[in-house]
Amino acid sequence: EIDLTQSPATLSLSPGDRATLSCRASHIVDGYLAWYQQKPSQAPRLLIFETSNRAAGIPARFSGSGSGTDFSLIISSLEPEDFAVYYCQFRSRWPPAITFGQGTRLDIK
Amino acid sequence: DVQLVESGGGLVQPGRSLRLSCAGSGFNFGTTSMSWFRQAPGKGLEWVAFIRTRAYGGNAAYAASVRGTFTISRDDENSVAYLQMNSLQPDDTAIYYCSTGQYDETGYPTRGDHWGQGTLVTVSS
Repeated sequence: EIDLTQSPATLSLSPGDRATLSCRASHIVDGYLAWYQQKPSQAPRLLIFETSNRAAGIPARFSGSGSGTDFSLIISSLEPEDFAVYYCQFRSRWPPAITFGQGTRLDIK
Repeated sequence: DVQLVESGGGLVQPGRSLRLSCAGSGFNFGTTSMSWFRQAPGKGLEWVAFIRTRAYGGNAAYAASVRGTFTISRDDENSVAYLQMNSLQPDDTAIYYCSTGQYDETGYPTRGDHWGQGTLVTVSS
């Protein structure tokens, strides 16, 4: 089973800043990497799927990259509505299972 | 628009059972794989189970933490997915979300494209 470690646990930035969130896998496994945003009392919202593809309706300031064990979510210029918790998620191809990172909280500085 | 509405949550004593429902609309339910996730109070997201479509055999896969006690099922005629939870324990206390997502060649979803608003399950005496 794969473990996902997100860093940093908390990131304090200002609107207009660039945010880089990291997700590291414990080992290389064939599968799919996604990113979600979650705001208080709301369900998660899919941002990025298959490492680098933006989900429908997601602004272009969100981008994903990575390979092997290291993946990143980049928000190029933070908007006030971007301050939230972000999770990475991995679906291993076989056996099928889903793992989440522990989350990165993006706070307003 | 895709809509998912969970129901069936509530307060239950340890050792008892509960069945959650997820009603889907705005999409072809019978050709969509379904998932359940949960989130304990103040904690992160956890995958619980997912189920393939009938075309892929309707099989399910479970997280190790619930295997043997939780069962996912689907009623395609009524566009409802279920999560039967037996032998509930306090650490099963969480908001439970259902989700749909694109699936791969295995028939299992690779992500959660759409989510319901969740239903709260509290296990306590």
